Amino acid sequence: GAGVSQSPSNKVTEKGKDVELRCDPISGHTALYWYRQRLGQGLEFLIYFQGNSAPDKSGLPSDRFSAERTGESVSTLTIQRTQQEDSAVYLCASSLETPLDTEAFFGQGTRLTVV
Amino acid sequence: DAKTTQPNSMESNEEEPVHLPCNHSTISGTDYIHWYRQLPSQGPEYVIHGLTSNVNNRMASLAIAEDRKSSTLILHRATLRDAAVYYCILRGLGSGGGADGLTFGKGTHLIIQP
Repeated sequence: GAGVSQSPSNKVTEKGKDVELRCDPISGHTALYWYRQRLGQGLEFLIYFQGNSAPDKSGLPSDRFSAERTGESVSTLTIQRTQQEDSAVYLCASSLETPLDTEAFFGQGTRLTVV
Repeated sequence: DAKTTQPNSMESNEEEPVHLPCNHSTISGTDYIHWYRQLPSQGPEYVIHGLTSNVNNRMASLAIAEDRKSSTLILHRATLRDAAVYYCILRGLGSGGGADGLTFGKGTHLIIQP
């Protein structure tokens, strides 16, 4: 596809269940970013990948959150034992390897609701 | 971290120019100034970026102060569709803040009056 694709677009899950969120970056983009945005709030950085490596995991809020990336392509963000405070829009973005002078492209996000 | 400071909100009238300021007094020589915006219920989108010289594209213009400690995003003729949160971000080697310098602050909430 031409842009960053995220799936599912919406996810409703019961408290305590695990969820997997998927991000397909633009082909050739080696940098990939995950953010969380709670209702009415700003973007909260979660994790960043350069290729398949995550040099910066400092934003992951707890050990219930994990992410991986394979083939320098698809990334999955996994939230275990979901809590109501995990309800938010999860956004993914990708950019070229040398991002300083290039733009990042965002997906439309996955809206997660924990009930 | 290289930080930016923006007003929380601004208001403008439709079809008038809008000047959105950003202060970045601790900018380093290798930091690029990027602007993104987030329309309601959408992911952020790139607007423009620059290093030292003023920049123009189809969406906006970026005016960078000579000392690079501030910049202004200019929307030449605002429309209702330009109502969004606008983020000024510094991206450079050692920008810090995680995410290879793609860290968002609170931005400026731009309100467009018809």
